[in-house]
Amino acid sequence: DTEVTQTPKHLVMGMTNKKSLKCEQHMGHRAMYWYKQKAKKPPELMFVYSYEKLSINESVPSRFSPECPNSSLLNLHLHALQPEDSALYLCASSQDLGHDEQYFGPGTRLTVT
Amino acid sequence: SQQGEEDPQALSIQEGENATMNCSYKTSINNLQWYRQNSGRGLVHLILIRSNEREKHSGRLRVTLDTSKKSSSLLITASRAADTASYFCATDNLRSVQGAQKLVFGQGTRLTINP
Repeated sequence: DTEVTQTPKHLVMGMTNKKSLKCEQHMGHRAMYWYKQKAKKPPELMFVYSYEKLSINESVPSRFSPECPNSSLLNLHLHALQPEDSALYLCASSQDLGHDEQYFGPGTRLTVT
Repeated sequence: SQQGEEDPQALSIQEGENATMNCSYKTSINNLQWYRQNSGRGLVHLILIRSNEREKHSGRLRVTLDTSKKSSSLLITASRAADTASYFCATDNLRSVQGAQKLVFGQGTRLTINP
């Protein structure tokens, strides 16, 4: 199974809502990533988890809160977002520390109203 | 900030022709990767070339790397309509203390293959 799954596919939320994005992989990968991608722009790294510990936080606002409950799951908790946070949120995983190829999920299209 | 700059930003060719995309970067790298993204979907890894390699092939793909010029090119031969997508280069030039990879993506090339 070389698939990274993400739910939901689409999410519309108000600025006062709390929601979560979910990502799952069953490839035994030990590194997982969250990216944000605006339209016609490249993905931008938000967070990196390795061995279930936060390894990189790219100065992301605290209204985005990542969580790695176990080695297969990665969540992104959203609270008090702004309309400019509307984007495609991509999850990815890679095999282990320093292993290079990343496998991406299909993304969650988030719209903040 | 984005590490890679790609050109052209958009490329439209006829099916069967070859497509060449270029990527330039600014700092030393461990490796350079190319990814494909179909409209609004996740990225698919195409090929990785390490800093000590100069050329790599995978099926209809050929990647070159010139570390002296800090540039790479992706050649797709005998293009097909299904190759229509955005193509991104990504450099791995920094690792955290724990060794986690940090990819920085270029701006991308939107490739259109006309039947």
